[in-house]
Amino acid sequence: QVQLQESGPGLVKPSETLSLTCTVSSGPFKNYYWSWIRQPPGKGLEWIGFIYYSGTTNYNPSLKSRLTMSVDPSKKQFSLRLRSVTAADTAIYYCARVKVATIHFDHWGQGTRVIVSS
Amino acid sequence: EIVLTQSPATLSLSPGERATLSCRASQSVNTSLAWYQQKPGQAPRLLIYDVSDRATGIPARFSGSGSGTDFTLTINSLESEDFSIYYCQQRSSWPPLFTFGPGTRVDLK
Repeated sequence: QVQLQESGPGLVKPSETLSLTCTVSSGPFKNYYWSWIRQPPGKGLEWIGFIYYSGTTNYNPSLKSRLTMSVDPSKKQFSLRLRSVTAADTAIYYCARVKVATIHFDHWGQGTRVIVSS
Repeated sequence: EIVLTQSPATLSLSPGERATLSCRASQSVNTSLAWYQQKPGQAPRLLIYDVSDRATGIPARFSGSGSGTDFTLTINSLESEDFSIYYCQQRSSWPPLFTFGPGTRVDLK
């Protein structure tokens, strides 16, 4: 059974960098776009971006200037770094996967809550 | 960027009734459309992909239809566990960009 698990600090200060990691247990790592999606409190879902096992990335244009993703296929982990955060970045952050050549997120992590506050 | 709109924002129904949820795209997405269900405190769960294919384990009362820019999720004979928020989602072909609709809440009348 494929499982994705997010980890990282739950509290980040404004102007600092939000860093999260997703660990994938079981299942293949190649042939998937490993994605981050977030959900501000009481709001809808926003796709942040994805990384392929080779390191190829694609980001939401609205976040691109502050965003870096990285991947470690040997550990089946991928990570997110979002710089210069503000209160607007407070959200539940989910990692999820999309199989290449498909359009849908078939497995999701449980999500991790990140609050941006001093 | 393709924008998805969903209507209605809220649908108030009783168990046993049929729910019809709409998703409209700002330009054609062909058949690149999926639907998710989200319950409070949980991650979204994939219901439908490629417009009308049910994901593994999804009951037959959930069905999807549509093409181009107009899509529908139908839930026949609502059960208590179906009262949730539903999101549609599309992927552009290249570069792969993903967007979600704002959601439709199905609540108990």
